[in-house]
Amino acid sequence: DIQMTQSPSSLSASVGDRVTITCRASQDISNYLAWYQQKPGKVPKLLIYVASTLQSGVPSRFSGSGSGTDFTLTISSLQPEDVATYYCQKYNSASRTFGQGTKVEIK
Amino acid sequence: EVQLVESGGGLAQPGGSLRLSCAASGFLFSSYEMNWVRQAPGKGLEWISYISSSGTTIYYADSVKGRFTISRDNAKNSLYLQMNSLRAGDTALYYCARGGAYYHSGTYYRSGLDYWGQGTLVTVSS
Repeated sequence: DIQMTQSPSSLSASVGDRVTITCRASQDISNYLAWYQQKPGKVPKLLIYVASTLQSGVPSRFSGSGSGTDFTLTISSLQPEDVATYYCQKYNSASRTFGQGTKVEIK
Repeated sequence: EVQLVESGGGLAQPGGSLRLSCAASGFLFSSYEMNWVRQAPGKGLEWISYISSSGTTIYYADSVKGRFTISRDNAKNSLYLQMNSLRAGDTALYYCARGGAYYHSGTYYRSGLDYWGQGTLVTVSS
């Protein structure tokens, strides 16, 4: 099975900082990669699909890039409401594996 | 408005069974792929099962293969998860989630899990 590895597992940044989260697949998954945001106590929310397409209603400070095995989620200017855990997920084959998550906090 | 409402969770003994249901509304259920995702207390998301829109293609995570069975009834707009041989490690909040899709130049593309229910809690304990 293809493994999805996120880094870092957690980060602390200041409001207004640029934040980057990385997701690496153990094999080529083309661009079948989604990013989700889960705020504490809430249901996960789809942010980005096909690696770089913003889901409707998601603020433009979120962006995604990458293809193949290496992907990135970027928050261009971190806001207090972005405190959450972020997950990547592959969805190109039988196993729709999630990464282990990256917890984002405000410094 | 798209709604997914899970039910059927509760307390089960190790080795026991539970059947989860997910009632869908606000969209043409028969046209969408569906998934079950779980989250153990304080842990990350774990995808556990997928079913195609027609029900003919099914996938499972290795952790539940042979013990859980996903199914759907498109006439009833409902998704199910039959959980047998339950273990303590199956304790989690179970979400049903819709597999999103879009068309571009006439071609169908998947777009991740675009709608989620609120989840139903399964606790496996003696």
